[in-house]
Amino acid sequence: AQKVTQAQTEISVVEKEDVTLDCVYETRDTTYYLFWYKQPPSGELVFLIRRNSFDEQNEISGRYSWNFQKSTSSFNFTITASQVVDSAVYFCALSEAGYSTLTFGKGTMLLVSP
Amino acid sequence: DTAVSQTPKYLVTQMGNDKSIKCEQNLGHDTMYWYKQDSKKFLKIMFSYNNKELIINETVPNRFSPKSPDKAHLNLHINSLELGDSAVYFCASSQDRGRGFYGYTFGSGTRLTVV
Repeated sequence: AQKVTQAQTEISVVEKEDVTLDCVYETRDTTYYLFWYKQPPSGELVFLIRRNSFDEQNEISGRYSWNFQKSTSSFNFTITASQVVDSAVYFCALSEAGYSTLTFGKGTMLLVSP
Repeated sequence: DTAVSQTPKYLVTQMGNDKSIKCEQNLGHDTMYWYKQDSKKFLKIMFSYNNKELIINETVPNRFSPKSPDKAHLNLHINSLELGDSAVYFCASSQDRGRGFYGYTFGSGTRLTVV
């Protein structure tokens, strides 16, 4: 059975601070996919990144970066120089190969204050 | 615009009523889903359809009935609404592109409030 744990329920930072959102997953499959989605206060779910289990390269996209470590079953998300517009709930999700169903973590609410 | 569209965006109704939420995608995806997001923001799958065929039916009260007239549409009908059905319901679609699963495109959600 697959499981995603986001242990941080809520994080508060001040603008320009760096922040890391943790994600730990469980799966018995060797082939799987990991995702991050953002849900801003307006409510829509926005895709941020997809990573397959065979690609452990870290990824950077502007102020966002992701650290995938299979040895610790983690897929952490770092926002550098956070901004108020980054305030949102962030979800980590997992899909095992052969299944098109996403299992979501419970989400981390990030509050960035000016 | 290519998208997953849900209607209505907001739905306020009384206990005991029957209501439907509609979802349409014009992305050509084969699989569509309904997810429920509760007040604590937890996202849980309810149903999944692939090419009009039900493939996932999680533990959902049988008052909830999905209907897929074609692969571009997946509607959700709810009978005898209860207070606990109040939530945000998200429709989503996906397509396996042969090199793996690329995740969902979500609709904007329907906020259902049962009073």
